[in-house]
Amino acid sequence: DSGVTQTPKHLITATGQRVTLRCSPRSGDLSVYWYQQSLDQGLQFLIQYYNGEERAKGNILERFSAQQFPDLHSELNLSSLELGDSALYFCASSVTGQNEKLFFGSGTQLSVL
Amino acid sequence: AQSVTQLDSHVSVSEGTPVLLRCNYSSSYSPSLFWYVQHPNKGLQLLLKYTSAATLVKGINGFEAEFKKSETSFHLTKPSAHMSDAAEYFCVVSDLDSNYQLIWGAGTKLIIKP
Repeated sequence: DSGVTQTPKHLITATGQRVTLRCSPRSGDLSVYWYQQSLDQGLQFLIQYYNGEERAKGNILERFSAQQFPDLHSELNLSSLELGDSALYFCASSVTGQNEKLFFGSGTQLSVL
Repeated sequence: AQSVTQLDSHVSVSEGTPVLLRCNYSSSYSPSLFWYVQHPNKGLQLLLKYTSAATLVKGINGFEAEFKKSETSFHLTKPSAHMSDAAEYFCVVSDLDSNYQLIWGAGTKLIIKP
């Protein structure tokens, strides 16, 4: 168990809908990362937060947004969902968010029908 | 700009034989290099990390990797494969040029034949 908690584990929704994925980092970790993993695109870095502030942005679509709250949990919001958004979404956390070991959650499997 | 190339998308070995997963990187600075493993239907887990100490890095589950600056390689090896090693393996680089963001390879799927 990595100590990173993601909910829900599975999510099935329809095109055009909006969903929210939640991540609780390990106790003491200040940085949260979001990744998307799909068969055709592989593992893609989406966005990173450190202590509530956005630190780095990767291949995140404009339809997607995220935030990190004062209690350090994070949410990834996906809107106007398309079939191609079906993927496994991982959250990871680390202590400082710089050049160090990441601890990954077990992911949220999103299916857009 | 830095990049990571995992030279094989799939590697198949028999149980009990050596494993070699190849990774080449490009970096303008002294990089940090990582190998992560993802077992089926699981999250990713750090196997090992190189950060300019010893060039031969030992990780969990009997894996090790050697940093070779002249060859810009960081290949992952294990002397004897076990069925439980079947997973996908990701090579990752980070350095000053990327502001220490992690640059991920495309992954190598390791298949173990009984």
